[in-house]
Amino acid sequence: QKEVEQDPGPLSVPEGAIVSLNCTYSNSAFQYFMWYRQYSRKGPELLMYTYSSGNKEDGRFTAQVDKSSKYISLFIRDSQPSDSATYLCAIFSGGYNKLIFGAGTRLAVHP
Amino acid sequence: NAGVMQNPRHLVRRRGQEARLRCSPMKGHSHVYWYRQLPEEGLKFMVYLQKENIIDESGMPKERFSAEFPKEGPSILRIQQVVRGDSAAYFCASCEDRGFHLDTQYFGPGTRLTVL
Repeated sequence: QKEVEQDPGPLSVPEGAIVSLNCTYSNSAFQYFMWYRQYSRKGPELLMYTYSSGNKEDGRFTAQVDKSSKYISLFIRDSQPSDSATYLCAIFSGGYNKLIFGAGTRLAVHP
Repeated sequence: NAGVMQNPRHLVRRRGQEARLRCSPMKGHSHVYWYRQLPEEGLKFMVYLQKENIIDESGMPKERFSAEFPKEGPSILRIQQVVRGDSAAYFCASCEDRGFHLDTQYFGPGTRLTVL
């Protein structure tokens, strides 16, 4: 079983839609959960991270963690064509600050 | 403040040749991570280095791969006798201080290695 599972998509939505991206993880000891955005041919950039359970909001983006079900989500409201990218969930594997990534979900927002 | 820099951005090698990938961390960062991204897959941790020390190389293949981060100069990921399966994007990330809490890793643009 992979430590982090993520549906690779692709996901295609119209502009203005609400997007839901999800990952599951296997190790209940994980505490920090990140979302990265990666544009084509670029390096990943950190969007936001959450600690333990709960929600965190930043503009049009909301990250949610449900530790009871080992499920993490990223919601994008009022999606824009500029949101078209691959979204990677990542877990911070304590100790050496090592990140464990999901496979990434490719999102396309069309006008 | 310049971001993480990697060069070359694209590298083509024939099977059996050596590949050297360079990473200059952000100014003030002394921790470097290397990740590999195969097509249609997420990033996989390879190695974590501090200046002159390899801290965690649990993700590195046992043979042909090596990494260093000298006191002066960039971090180098070296792949000897490359094979087609080494074709991937290699990303470097740096952060400021490990500590015992989360430190944001900033990623470079990556080096895309193609092995013919």
